[in-house]
Amino acid sequence: GNSVTQMEGPVTLSEEAFLTINCTYTATGYPSLFWYVQYPGEGLQLLLKATKADDKGSNKGFEATYRKETTSFHLEKGSVQVSDSAVYFCALTTNTGNQFYFGTGTSLTVIP
Amino acid sequence: DAGVTQSPTHLIKTRGQQVTLRCSPKSGHDTVSWYQQALGQGPQFIFQYYEEEERQRGNFPDRFSGHQFPNYSSELNVNALLLGDSALYLCASSLGIGELFFGEGSRLTVL
Repeated sequence: GNSVTQMEGPVTLSEEAFLTINCTYTATGYPSLFWYVQYPGEGLQLLLKATKADDKGSNKGFEATYRKETTSFHLEKGSVQVSDSAVYFCALTTNTGNQFYFGTGTSLTVIP
Repeated sequence: DAGVTQSPTHLIKTRGQQVTLRCSPKSGHDTVSWYQQALGQGPQFIFQYYEEEERQRGNFPDRFSGHQFPNYSSELNVNALLLGDSALYLCASSLGIGELFFGEGSRLTVL
């Protein structure tokens, strides 16, 4: 079946620290991979995506590389800001595209 | 350009009641999906509507039903509410099977 596993949170970092949030997946077929972010009181927003192996998605200083050999899509940012405090969800959809499978989310708090 | 809008934003019901949640998709989008997000969990797929038909359904009981109108807006109905139905209900729209755009959700509390 299809599923996503994210590292447990919550994660607390100081401003300008390096961020890694691990995500691994199980999928039938050839999935597309996504990171969504949910700020307090808001809906989910797409942060970045990758549609095939070795693709790198990037946005707002965040990056993630689609690693087929390790079935992973880890999220990284070199220097986090207080405004990055949010819940981050890793997700996949298969080539039918009808259903997205989300991880349980990782809460990030960045302190000044 | 209006994004995905949902109503109501918050509502409280009692067990056994019925609820209807509404969603207007982002302009130009023709596909609407509904997700349930329990507290501290990721969104779980309920179903997807395209051309006024349910195209795919997740692992939810028949108490959960939906509808899509000719203008692509959609409703989610839940009958015989249970305490466990308390959650944030998210509507997402897309153009076909493209990227999902989410609304801010309707938070349902069942007492």
